[in-house]
Amino acid sequence: GAVVSQHPSRVICKSGTSVKIECRSLDFQATTMFWYRQFPKKSLMLMATSNEGSKATYEQGVEKDKFLINHASLTLSTLTVTSAHPEDSSFYICSARRGGRGETQYFGPGTRLLVL
Amino acid sequence: DQQVKQNSPSLSVQEGRISILNCDYTNSMFDYFLWYKKYPAEGPTFLISISSIKDKNEDGRFTVFLNKSAKHLSLHIVPSQPGDSAVYFCAALNTGTASKLTFGTGTRLQVTL
Repeated sequence: GAVVSQHPSRVICKSGTSVKIECRSLDFQATTMFWYRQFPKKSLMLMATSNEGSKATYEQGVEKDKFLINHASLTLSTLTVTSAHPEDSSFYICSARRGGRGETQYFGPGTRLLVL
Repeated sequence: DQQVKQNSPSLSVQEGRISILNCDYTNSMFDYFLWYKKYPAEGPTFLISISSIKDKNEDGRFTVFLNKSAKHLSLHIVPSQPGDSAVYFCAALNTGTASKLTFGTGTRLQVTL
């Protein structure tokens, strides 16, 4: 199956700093990548959808200036949490879709962010 | 507005028996459904999917059933194994639009010896 990696797997940072999370599709070209956030005992919440070479589409309620998404190539998307605060602590998961709209999304292993 | 619902937050099944996980949806525009398995602190792993033109899809021990009129789908795992213990999410999408996955809240399956 398709492999999606995320780096780092875990990060602890001080409040006010920025954190970058990378998402890579290792064995396929991802036309679209998605970023999710999972709160404890909650469903996965879609934050934004990014297509290679274009601006990300953010879901309602997600601050685009807070969560910067860059999809520079067909195998790499990055999420930068700017000026992180303790309430940004969460589990962030990316997914990548290989082909057209009906294709399955393949998920990365997730990144645990803890903001102190 | 929770468009995809998994009303059972947890389920316990004995090893070797059948596990049945249920999922209901409200958006009639959804035409593709997926089941994901998730371990703690890991990303979801794709299990099986079904298009709305079918009512059943089988892959090894996993079978997904879709009842469009009832807007209901279920995942059957038989026989259940201890390694199946995880959280299972159903997800739905409308392939004709932006194709965003809408996830249910998950069901924690515990397979006991």
